[in-house]
Amino acid sequence: QKEVEQDPGPLSVPEGAIVSLNCTYSNSAFQYFMWYRQYSRKGPELLMYTYSSGNKEDGRFTAQVDKSSKYISLFIRDSQPSDSATYLCALIRDTGRRALTFGSGTRLQVQP
Amino acid sequence: NAGVTQTPKFQVLKTGQSMTLQCAQDMNHEYMSWYRQDPGMGLRLIHYSVGAGITDQGEVPNGYNVSRSTTEDFPLRLLSAAPSQTSVYFCASSYRQGLTDTQYFGPGTRLTVL
Repeated sequence: QKEVEQDPGPLSVPEGAIVSLNCTYSNSAFQYFMWYRQYSRKGPELLMYTYSSGNKEDGRFTAQVDKSSKYISLFIRDSQPSDSATYLCALIRDTGRRALTFGSGTRLQVQP
Repeated sequence: NAGVTQTPKFQVLKTGQSMTLQCAQDMNHEYMSWYRQDPGMGLRLIHYSVGAGITDQGEVPNGYNVSRSTTEDFPLRLLSAAPSQTSVYFCASSYRQGLTDTQYFGPGTRLTVL
């Protein structure tokens, strides 16, 4: 069983929709939670990170962490065609190593 | 700043050949790492380095070697390429900021082993 599970999609939504992307994890040792966005044939870029249960907002993006359920989410409000990309959750277990454990990524397509 | 650069962008190898994937960063980051990305698998850590002269293995190190002689460069060597090493390879660098750090990824090298 993978340590981090993520629905691969693809997820297709109309422009302006609210998008919900999710990951579950099995190891309670994970301490930091990140979301990366990856455009086709590009490297991942960091969108948001958080280290506590609750919500963190940045513009149209909200990251939500529920450590008790081992569940993390990324919400995108007023989605735009430019949001079309693959979204990867990434978790850090050991801050000494700082190594990321990635989900497999969800491909999102926002239709104009 | 160029950020994280990787060369080559594309490479085709025959089974058994060796090659080096280059990675360089100009941000003076102490931490650098190599990941491979395969369909349905996300990114998996191959090797990482916390500073010049210090390297360690990640999740999938077999068949790969690294060294870190300078802060800027972190090359990844394939010793004897196998078809299972066909993948997209990403190099990343980061520095500690507060409780965690932000990892910056390069554009990737697409490798095909025939």
